[in-house]
Amino acid sequence: EVQLVESGGGLVQPGGSLRLSCAASGFTFSTYWMSWVRQAPGKGLEWVANMKQDGSEKYYVDSVNGRFTISRDNTKNSVYLEMNSLRAEDTAVYFCARLGVPVGFDYWGQGTLVTVSS
Amino acid sequence: QSALTQPPSASGSPGQSVTISCTGTSSDVGGYNYVSWYQQHPGKAPKLIIYEVTKRPSGVPDRFSGSKSGNTASLTVSGLQAEDEADYYCSSYAGNNIFVFGIGTKVTVL
Repeated sequence: EVQLVESGGGLVQPGGSLRLSCAASGFTFSTYWMSWVRQAPGKGLEWVANMKQDGSEKYYVDSVNGRFTISRDNTKNSVYLEMNSLRAEDTAVYFCARLGVPVGFDYWGQGTLVTVSS
Repeated sequence: QSALTQPPSASGSPGQSVTISCTGTSSDVGGYNYVSWYQQHPGKAPKLIIYEVTKRPSGVPDRFSGSKSGNTASLTVSGLQAEDEADYYCSSYAGNNIFVFGIGTKVTVL
């Protein structure tokens, strides 16, 4: 059974940093692109970042480019999101998702809440 | 990277059909056959119900169907059931390994 479990969310002050983790199991992690998608309270989904299987390619939504960094450790079956210079508008539930082939976000974690507030 | 346009709400009685539109541009919806749809119940993670415009993952009822014409994709839910009441989001590949989601549609079963 495919499982994705996020952790690392919490309350952080504006300008602060946070690192999210996503532990994967039930599939060959190293053969899939992985993604982060976020959802602000009461709002819709927003794709945040993608990372290729071997970590050689990373892509970001414009609003986080230069502040967030996606990374992965295929030996630990984990993907991470390092978030710096956090702003109030980054407040959201952050979901880890597998980017399947054929194309679609075919498995999702339960999400971890990040609140940016003073 | 603008969000795809969806109607904020849609509704239907049990047994009826409801269709949700998802409008983008030639750079996303119109340019690729990589439109997917997600169902999200309150407090839950999204669930993939349609991928590559028309295909259903294993286990998704055939009451859910997808289509596309030009820059607009559509999701139809036939034979509405109470458990279909949820938020629905479309997503499209937008080139250069980036993706965009729609703003979401709340479906109410009357």
